[in-house]
Parts: sequence; structure tokens; C-alpha cells
Amino acid sequence: AQKVTQAQTEISVVEKEDVTLDCVYETRDTTYYLFWYKQPPSGELVFLIRRNSFDEQNEISGRYSWNFQKSTSSFNFTITASQVVDSAVYFCALSLYGGATNKLIFGTGTLLAVQP
Amino acid sequence: GAVVSQHPSWVICKSGTSVKIECRSLDFQATTMFWYRQFPKQSLMLMATSNEGSKATYEQGVEKDKFLINHASLTLSTLTVTSAHPEDSSFYICSARDLRSSGTGEQFFGPGTRLTVL
Repeated sequence: AQKVTQAQTEISVVEKEDVTLDCVYETRDTTYYLFWYKQPPSGELVFLIRRNSFDEQNEISGRYSWNFQKSTSSFNFTITASQVVDSAVYFCALSLYGGATNKLIFGTGTLLAVQP
Repeated sequence: GAVVSQHPSWVICKSGTSVKIECRSLDFQATTMFWYRQFPKQSLMLMATSNEGSKATYEQGVEKDKFLINHASLTLSTLTVTSAHPEDSSFYICSARDLRSSGTGEQFFGPGTRLTVL
């Protein structure tokens, strides 16, 4: 069975602080995809990144960076120099390879509050 | 590209009435669409998966007679909440997957519909 765990329910930081959101996943499959989504107060899910299981290179996009480590089944997300606009709920998700009906398995989400 | 719209964005209805929510893929053909439900401060819960032209597959515990799903075309799926009650009040989100991204599992999400049943 597949599972995604986001142990941090809520995180509060002050603007300009760096913050890391943890994501641990479970699957026995060797081919899978990992995702991060942002859900601001408006409710619409915003896609942030997709990473396949064969690509362990870390990725950086502006203030965002992702650390994928298969050895610990983790796909952590770091926001550098956080801003108030980063306040949102962040979801990590897992999908197995293949098949149009493959489901996305979501973690429980982490609510990030960035204080001015 | 890969834009999914939902209509309406919010709806308030009286208990006992039925509500229809539309989900459209605007610039691609969605072979598969998904319907999620999200309660406040909770994660997305998958309700059902629908493929164009066939019956939806419901997740365990989701009443198929209450949440009617129709995926009549490659760009449109509808969710009808029949005889809605206050406990059905929630945020309903649809997503769509096109043939090109079926292998990766990626889904494109609509903006959601907030349903309030009085």
C-alpha cells in the first residue's frame, strides 16, 4: 500500500526565515512520481513540482528547493527567505507509474503561516 | 495549457435540493477525471474516478446514488449532489488527466466549488 506522511501539521515562521516542509512516502513500487502542491486560502491547488523516482537530483526554482532522498523515502521542500505570500497549505503527493486511472495519494498537508 | 475550470465556484442551496457541479478541461482532452472532497483543515479525499463514456468508480464509503457522476465527453464531467443535506457542505475539487500525462499520474486541478447546504 502507498502512503504519504506530512508530520508537520502547522508551521509558523517570521518573514525572511527559511522553512522546510517534510514529506515521507511509502511504496514498494520502483517507478513512481512525487508532487508538491500549494493551496492558498482561495482554495485552488497550485502545482509546484513533479519528480520521478529515477531522478534524485535536487531541484531549485527561485526561493523553492526540493530534496529527494530515496534512501530515506523523503521528498522535502524548502522555502528560502519566506514571504507572507507563501502562507498556504502545502500538500505532498505520490502517484505510481502507468495507467490513466492511477490515483494521487495525498499527505495530510502542512499549514504554513508566514508572519510579517 | 492544461487548464481546468469548475462551475459554479460557490453555491448555496436548501436542504433536499440537488446541485450540479461542472468540470471542464479547456485546452486538452481529459480521458480521466477525478472528484475530490475537502473538509476544512483536512486533506483532499478522492470520491470517484471517471472515464469518458463509462461508469465512474467510487471510493469505498462514497454513496454512488447520492453523488452522481457523468463524464459524457472528453472535456466535461459533472458531479450532482442529490438531495443535499448540511453534512454535504464541503469544498469539491475536480481534476483531469490527459493521455499524454497518464503515465506520470499528473492531474490538473480545477479551482474548486464551495457548497453550502442550509
